[in-house]
Amino acid sequence: DAGVTQSPTHLIKTRGQQVTLRCSPISGHKSVSWYQQVLGQGPQFIFQYYEKEERGRGNFPDRFSARQFPNYSSELNVNALLLGDSALYLCASGLSGNTIYFGEGSWLTVV
Amino acid sequence: AQKITQTQPGMFVQEKEAVTLDCTYDTSDPSYGLFWYKQPSSGEMIFLIYQGSYDQQNATEGRYSLNFQKARKSANLVISASQLGDSAMYFCAPPKGNQFYFGTGTSLTVIP
Repeated sequence: DAGVTQSPTHLIKTRGQQVTLRCSPISGHKSVSWYQQVLGQGPQFIFQYYEKEERGRGNFPDRFSARQFPNYSSELNVNALLLGDSALYLCASGLSGNTIYFGEGSWLTVV
Repeated sequence: AQKITQTQPGMFVQEKEAVTLDCTYDTSDPSYGLFWYKQPSSGEMIFLIYQGSYDQQNATEGRYSLNFQKARKSANLVISASQLGDSAMYFCAPPKGNQFYFGTGTSLTVIP
């Protein structure tokens, strides 16, 4: 069975631009969450969605938004990119209240 | 918010030896459990092992085991018979629902 898949794997954006990152969960998983990992730190929780509803939001500005589609895939959008948004963005899927499984991440560089 | 402390930023171990990675956490949620993840340089977070807060015995999963001391709020990861492929970052994470809170991790290097 396929694991969590994310796209794109690497991308470079300019300050002020907008970016959309995509995630497909493991088949049967209805929960998707997003994490940001900057260099030298552990992943930081951004959003969690379950059954297309937002179930949690971390301490991130409103420039960050996300949604979950009927097939449980998800998109993370970041507007007005800043240099500090350069990071590895990880998507994870799981069943409610259980282990979460991560994708390989999307490496975003803002220049 | 959860506070996670991994006091060993870097660890070295000889191949085939055992190593213990420390983790302490501070949470007010009595139903907490704890997860450990491995992150190689490729970036993917790989699930290793889970300890439920009400489990009577320490969790084990192949070469991975946990030394769980609930009263001290610590859950140290023991890797036995280290292999070169174990070289990676290791993170412990107590979840709050489906929201995971990670510490700064421990970098493990296995020496041939």
